[in-house]
Amino acid sequence: IAGITQAPTSQILAAGRRMTLRCTQDMRHNAMYWYRQDLGLGLRLIHYSNTAGTTGKGEVPDGYSVSRANTDDFPLTLASAVPSQTSVYFCASSGTNTGELFFGEGSRLTVL
Amino acid sequence: RKEVEQDPGPFNVPEGATVAFNCTYSNSASQSFFWYRQDCRKEPKLLMSVYSSGNEDGRFTAQLNRASQYISLLIRDSKLSDSATYLCVVTFYNQGGKLIFGQGTELSVKP
Repeated sequence: IAGITQAPTSQILAAGRRMTLRCTQDMRHNAMYWYRQDLGLGLRLIHYSNTAGTTGKGEVPDGYSVSRANTDDFPLTLASAVPSQTSVYFCASSGTNTGELFFGEGSRLTVL
Repeated sequence: RKEVEQDPGPFNVPEGATVAFNCTYSNSASQSFFWYRQDCRKEPKLLMSVYSSGNEDGRFTAQLNRASQYISLLIRDSKLSDSATYLCVVTFYNQGGKLIFGQGTELSVKP
C-alpha cells in the first residue's frame, strides 16, 4: 500500500543518546515534513524539505536535524536526546499544491 | 500568540446535534485553509479544504471569513463516528506555503 512509513513506532531512550527517526514515502512527493505533537500544543513543525537536497527550519527546530538525500527518505535525528523531546513525531508529505498532507502513523518517543 | 488558534474543547454533544468550531489566524498573509480530522492516537487526515465562497460536503460545511481572519466548521446531525479531534490548518504566503496547525478541538458525540 502506497504511503508513508515511519520507524520505529515506539521507542524509549535514555537522555543524551542519539536517535534517528526514519521516514520513507513512495508517492514521489516533493515536500516532506516532520511535526511533533504534544498535549495542548497541537502539531508543531520541526523541519521541512520542499524538494530533495533542500531543507528548512520550522517552528521548533532546536535539538533536531534532518537530511534529504533523495525524494523518498527524510530522517529526523536527535543528536543528544533530552526529556523535553518526549513526544509523538509525525512525518508527512505533500505532492501538488492541493495542501493535502499525507501522514505516517507516528513515532512515539520517550526520553528518560 | 499562536498563529492559528482553536478552542480546545472538549465539545460534548448528543447524537443528532449540530456543532460548530471556529479557528482564528493572526497572519493576514494567509494562503490556503483546511480542516483535518485526527482520531485518538492516529495520524491526522484531511477532512476538507476551505474555499473563499464556503463549501459543503454532506453534513460538513466550511466557511472562511478573511476580513475577520477566521474559518469555521459546522457539523450537522452529529454521529458517534464524528468523535475525534478537528484540526484547523493554514498556510501563509510569507512562510513558503508551510502548513501551520491549530492545537485542535476535541469533539465527543454521545448516544
